[in-house]
Amino acid sequence: ETGVTQSPTHLIKTRGQQVTLRCSSQSGHNTVSWYQQALGQGPQFIFQYYREEENGRGNFPPRFSGLQFPNYSSELNVNALELDDSALYLCASSKDRGAYEQYFGPGTRLTVT
Amino acid sequence: SQQGEEDPQALSIQEGENATMNCSYKTSINNLQWYRQNSGRGLVHLILIRSNEREKHSGRLRVTLDTSKKSSSLLITASRAADTASYFCATDQPGGFKTIFGAGTRLFVKA
Repeated sequence: ETGVTQSPTHLIKTRGQQVTLRCSSQSGHNTVSWYQQALGQGPQFIFQYYREEENGRGNFPPRFSGLQFPNYSSELNVNALELDDSALYLCASSKDRGAYEQYFGPGTRLTVT
Repeated sequence: SQQGEEDPQALSIQEGENATMNCSYKTSINNLQWYRQNSGRGLVHLILIRSNEREKHSGRLRVTLDTSKKSSSLLITASRAADTASYFCATDQPGGFKTIFGAGTRLFVKA
């Protein structure tokens, strides 16, 4: 069973740029959720994708967008980067949208300067 | 905003001692989960307790849930240095799609 993987591990971007983060879900999982974790805080829910459709969204502006592909891998795109976007971005997959146990990837550390 | 609030924010104990962390939340839930995070990396699922359960065990972990007080506790018995990590409670609301995490308790176990 392949676990959740994320790429890249680290990323440095300049304010105003755009970034794409990638996530491969665990085999057999069709649901992916993305979280933002600021230093010293708990993860904050960004959105969830189920079978290529957005299934719900947290309190994040539209410049945070996502995609899920037929193989259930996913992308998180952030436009017009701001300094406050600096954080660890975590992807988590689950067997189904009704399954609460989530399997997390190692995260992508984004630094915006 | 975050649903859960963990207490204490940080905890330092000796190896072999028990560690207790508490979590309070604000709204009705379907489930409450506990996760562990080592060194700012990915989270590892520890245990899930449903809203109609009061206590659950898994190895050295014991979780309690009191829905009347909207609180939960995580007890780690006979702690080890490898238990050093941040621990988060997370709640799932009825009809919801998102899991809401608290700010976490940072546990340090001294060898």
